[in-house]
Amino acid sequence: ILNVEQSPQSLHVQEGDSTNFTCSFPSSNFYALHWYRWETAKSPEALFVMTLNGDEKKKGRISATLNTKEGYSYLYIKGSQPEDSATYLCAFDRDDKIIFGKGTRLHILP
Amino acid sequence: KAGVTQTPRYLIKTRGQQVTLSCSPISGHRSVSWYQQTPGQGLQFLFEYFSETQRNKGNFPGRFSGRQFSNSRSEMNVSTLELGDSALYLCASSLDGQNPSYGYTFGSGTRLTVV
Repeated sequence: ILNVEQSPQSLHVQEGDSTNFTCSFPSSNFYALHWYRWETAKSPEALFVMTLNGDEKKKGRISATLNTKEGYSYLYIKGSQPEDSATYLCAFDRDDKIIFGKGTRLHILP
Repeated sequence: KAGVTQTPRYLIKTRGQQVTLSCSPISGHRSVSWYQQTPGQGLQFLFEYFSETQRNKGNFPGRFSGRQFSNSRSEMNVSTLELGDSALYLCASSLDGQNPSYGYTFGSGTRLTVV
């Protein structure tokens, strides 16, 4: 059984603080790791696609790292803003299928 | 450019009925994937179509089927609906689902309720 685990499930962060969360995935048959942001009542929005061990990607205040050998990826948000409130999904791409984690629900406190 | 369009947005069906959901991908995208999300679960992969052929399939019963047309639009069919089929169904399109660097663009989903 292939499992993609995200932790924590839920997170409350004060506006302006930085935060990070984890995605763990199988270290074999790796093809790519995707991160999505999913705001309530909207479609999941692609943040990053990471394919190489050691990849680091950045988009504004959000960045991600990838370790395919040990099977984890971190997503970092610097200086959290109210608009960062969303569920962050990671997905392990194994070529023949994509397996999503259950997400980390991020709440930004004013 | 237009995004991924799913119709209908909401649907209520009775147990035992069948349902067809539609997904129009971004123009030029040839890969369409379908996902199911139920409360407490992550997105579960149903299947992927590319150039009118089912390329990959998840672990769902045969009641779940799909197809893709020559214009890349895809339909998903669920026969003999069960209460447990109540879920949000999302489709995602990609230039080529086998090249991950292209990424996937999701539609807004169809919320199916089975009563």
